[in-house]
Amino acid sequence: NAGVTQTPKFRVLKTGQSMTLLCAQDMNHEYMYWYRQDPGMGLRLIHYSVGEGTTAKGEVPDGYNVSRLKKQNFLLGLESAAPSQTSVYFCASSYDGRLNTEAFFGQGTRLTVV
Amino acid sequence: QQQVKQSPQSLIVQKGGISIINCAYENTAFDYFPWYQQFPGKGPALLIAIRPDVSEKKEGRFTISFNKSAKQFSLHIMDSQPGDSATYFCAASRANAGKSTFGDGTTLTVKP
Repeated sequence: NAGVTQTPKFRVLKTGQSMTLLCAQDMNHEYMYWYRQDPGMGLRLIHYSVGEGTTAKGEVPDGYNVSRLKKQNFLLGLESAAPSQTSVYFCASSYDGRLNTEAFFGQGTRLTVV
Repeated sequence: QQQVKQSPQSLIVQKGGISIINCAYENTAFDYFPWYQQFPGKGPALLIAIRPDVSEKKEGRFTISFNKSAKQFSLHIMDSQPGDSATYFCAASRANAGKSTFGDGTTLTVKP
């Protein structure tokens, strides 16, 4: 039981390049989330999903896209990376967000855009 | 509009002391208030959580105090230890929203 696994753990991109961050959970959770963490700004929600095949925008969705083709996977894409997207990205999942259950976080992906 | 305000941004406490972190919220529809603990290089992990039908919840050295009328809640760490040094986030959510709003975090350093 690995919990929430993010790949890659580190990545350096050049401005304008694209990439996809992968999140996988093995807890059969319905809800999945992508956050970014910047110094002094806490955790800001980028996109989330309430079930397979669904996605919704969070607080800071611009410049990102997501897909949830399989229940266990939630992908975050950057179409054209910008230095402002340099951040630590966390994926999380929860059994049922409507019931306000615990969110389980991955280890994070440190992304640097140069 | 920041819905959950957390203070202080950083806190230094001596070993054995009490650490207190405060959060204030605006949305009266919030009904779940968790605290997460994050160690460097790791993802946040749930530490303790409270619902507004109680004013206090205690788990070991960690206590949440909740003041519904003031729309405030706080985390108290008794007998703070160097191993408690971490970043703490408060959060708030409401039923059926499917997502939480996080405070900006407090970096706690416990000096030996």
